[in-house]
Amino acid sequence: QKEVEQDPGPLSVPEGAIVSLNCTYSNSAFQYFMWYRQYSRKGPELLMYTYSSGNKEDGRFTAQVDKSSKYISLFIRDSQPSDSATYLCAMSAFTGRRALTFGSGTRLQVQP
Amino acid sequence: GAGVSQSPSNKVTEKGKDVELRCDPISGHTALYWYRQSLGQGLEFLIYFQGNSAPDKSGLPSDRFSAERTGGSVSTLTIQRTQQEDSAVYLCASSLSPILAGSNTGELFFGEGSRLTVL
Repeated sequence: QKEVEQDPGPLSVPEGAIVSLNCTYSNSAFQYFMWYRQYSRKGPELLMYTYSSGNKEDGRFTAQVDKSSKYISLFIRDSQPSDSATYLCAMSAFTGRRALTFGSGTRLQVQP
Repeated sequence: GAGVSQSPSNKVTEKGKDVELRCDPISGHTALYWYRQSLGQGLEFLIYFQGNSAPDKSGLPSDRFSAERTGGSVSTLTIQRTQQEDSAVYLCASSLSPILAGSNTGELFFGEGSRLTVL
């Protein structure tokens, strides 16, 4: 079983829709949670990060962490065609490897 | 340059040949990571360099894989006797400080990757 599970999609939505992307994880030591966005043939770029449980909002994006359920989410409001990309969740712990553990990524397509 | 630079961007090789992939991190970044991304898979950690410390090689899948970082800057990932299952995009990333050290809460700066195809 992978440490981080993420539905690969693809997820296709119409422009303006609310998008929900999710990851589950098994390592209770994870404390920092990130979402990276990766456009085709490009490297991933950090979109948002959150620490421990709770919500964080940045413009049209909201990241949510539920540590009790080991479940994180990214919501995109008023989705745009420019949001079409692969979204990867990533997480890290204060102990152990000083590297991020990534999910497999969800491919999102926003139809104009 | 301003970002992480990787070369070659594409490499096609025959099974059994050796390949070298190069990464030039952002100037001043002390931490350097190699990840592998296969079709439909997430980013698989390979190796991590931090300053002059011994690298964390725990993600290297076999002894055919090795990496070095010279002078705390440029890094080379070498795959010996390539196999078809080595076909993937190899991504390099750097960060100003290690993850969860100082103000770094998880931002890695990635290059565009080296796409390796083993025939």
